[in-house]
Amino acid sequence: LAKTTQPISMDSYEGQEVNITCSHNNIATNDYITWYQQFPSQGPRFIIQGYKTKVTNEVASLFIPADRKSSTLSLPRVSLSDTAVYYCLVGVAPYNQGGKLIFGQGTELSVKP
Amino acid sequence: NAGVTQTPKFQVLKTGQSMTLQCAQDMNHEYMSWYRQDPGMGLRLIHYSVGAGITDQGEVPNGYNVSRSTTEDFPLRLLSAAPSQTSVYFCASSSARTDSSSGNTIYFGEGSWLTVV
Repeated sequence: LAKTTQPISMDSYEGQEVNITCSHNNIATNDYITWYQQFPSQGPRFIIQGYKTKVTNEVASLFIPADRKSSTLSLPRVSLSDTAVYYCLVGVAPYNQGGKLIFGQGTELSVKP
Repeated sequence: NAGVTQTPKFQVLKTGQSMTLQCAQDMNHEYMSWYRQDPGMGLRLIHYSVGAGITDQGEVPNGYNVSRSTTEDFPLRLLSAAPSQTSVYFCASSSARTDSSSGNTIYFGEGSWLTVV
């Protein structure tokens, strides 16, 4: 499984757009990029997944450059309820890696009023 | 639909005691996993299973045992509890059917808070 590097923490204010970048220099050809969100005292939940270019859903956008060595999770107009830890995972589909998902440190996002 | 159910939610153990954390899912998922999360840290994979009768080690398996006798249940056993095993434990399940609507979603339980004194 490819190793990922993310910032440990980020601060933002309500209404701002937040971009969290993840580096995965040794990503393999068959690897997908998946982001999870974890609120305090809860298990992580799936946000978005992509392979290349851009993916958008009702929660976030995921930007992946052509070399796929990094990816950026974009959260539009964050609110206080977006305060959470965000994890970037890289691995071969099927998306859930046969249950063998390896989570890194994650990025702790703090949204302030 | 209960999803992933973990019991107990809170437990205090004395060093050397053994106990089992229970995990059950009612979604007929093939894949199940156990993670631990220490304060301020990310999740670390303890053990995982790709189906009934099949288990494998994750990143931090020492001191833990698992079995998967049925699709629904994946208990985690602490053989001889140590203070270093004080943590929050999460059980997760997911489907092997990637063409299903839930193929890209992992479902987590609500966590079990374990303190070893």
